[in-house]
Amino acid sequence: GAGVSQSPRYKVAKRGQDVALRCDPISGHVSLFWYQQALGQGPEFLTYFQNEAQLDKSGLPSDRFFAERPEGSVSTLKIQRTQQEDSAVYLCASSLVLSPGTGNSGYTFGSGTRLTVV
Amino acid sequence: TQLLEQSPQFLSIQEGENLTVYCNSSSVFSSLQWYRQEPGEGPVLLVTVVTGGEVKKLKRLTFQFGDARKDSSLHITAAQPGDTGLYLCAGVPYFGNEKLTFGTGTRLTIIP
Repeated sequence: GAGVSQSPRYKVAKRGQDVALRCDPISGHVSLFWYQQALGQGPEFLTYFQNEAQLDKSGLPSDRFFAERPEGSVSTLKIQRTQQEDSAVYLCASSLVLSPGTGNSGYTFGSGTRLTVV
Repeated sequence: TQLLEQSPQFLSIQEGENLTVYCNSSSVFSSLQWYRQEPGEGPVLLVTVVTGGEVKKLKRLTFQFGDARKDSSLHITAAQPGDTGLYLCAGVPYFGNEKLTFGTGTRLTIIP
C-alpha cells in the first residue's frame, strides 16, 4: 500500500489479556520500528528490525512484550498479560534506507494502535 | 540516556503571529529531525538537519541546528490555523544508530 498500515486502530483489553498488534509496512521497506507513545508524550523506542532480523529490542519494557517480523515484511507486536500501564498508542514506522535518521527520507509512521487496558 | 527537552510545552497564538519552538539537550546528536503529529495520526517528517549551524527553510518554517549539535529551533512566520498540531523533535545519537530519541513535544494551537 501507499502508507504504513496498522491494525486494529483501537483495542480495549481486560487486564491480564494477551493482545497482538499488526503493522504492514510500505512494500520494500527494509527497516521497521515500533514506538510507544503515552498520552501527551513523545514516542519512545521499543524495537527495530532490519528485514526479518530484530537488531535492537532494548526498549521493550518487560518480557511480556514480544515482536516478530518472520518474513521481513509484516510485523506483530504481542503483549502478554496486559497491565494498565501498557495503555498507550503503539506506533509502527518503516524506512527504505538503513539509517533513516540521517536523511530526508526518514521514517514513515502508521496511524498507530490505541491500546486501553481496563 | 539522552533526553530532548522541548519548550514551550503548550503554545496558543493568534493567526498571523510568529513563534519559535526550542529543542534542547545536554548530549550531542549526529542529526535531528522535526515531525508534526495530528490527533489520531502518526508523526510526519518535516525536516532533517545534519550539520552544526545548519539552517533549513520549508515555506514559512525555518529550522536551525545548533553549532554544537545539542539543540535545535523551529521558527514559524505568520502562523496559520493549518499549523496547529504537536511538534516533535527527534535526535539520532550517532550515525548508524537507527533509533530516534523523541523530545517531549510542543502542542501548538493557532487561533483564527
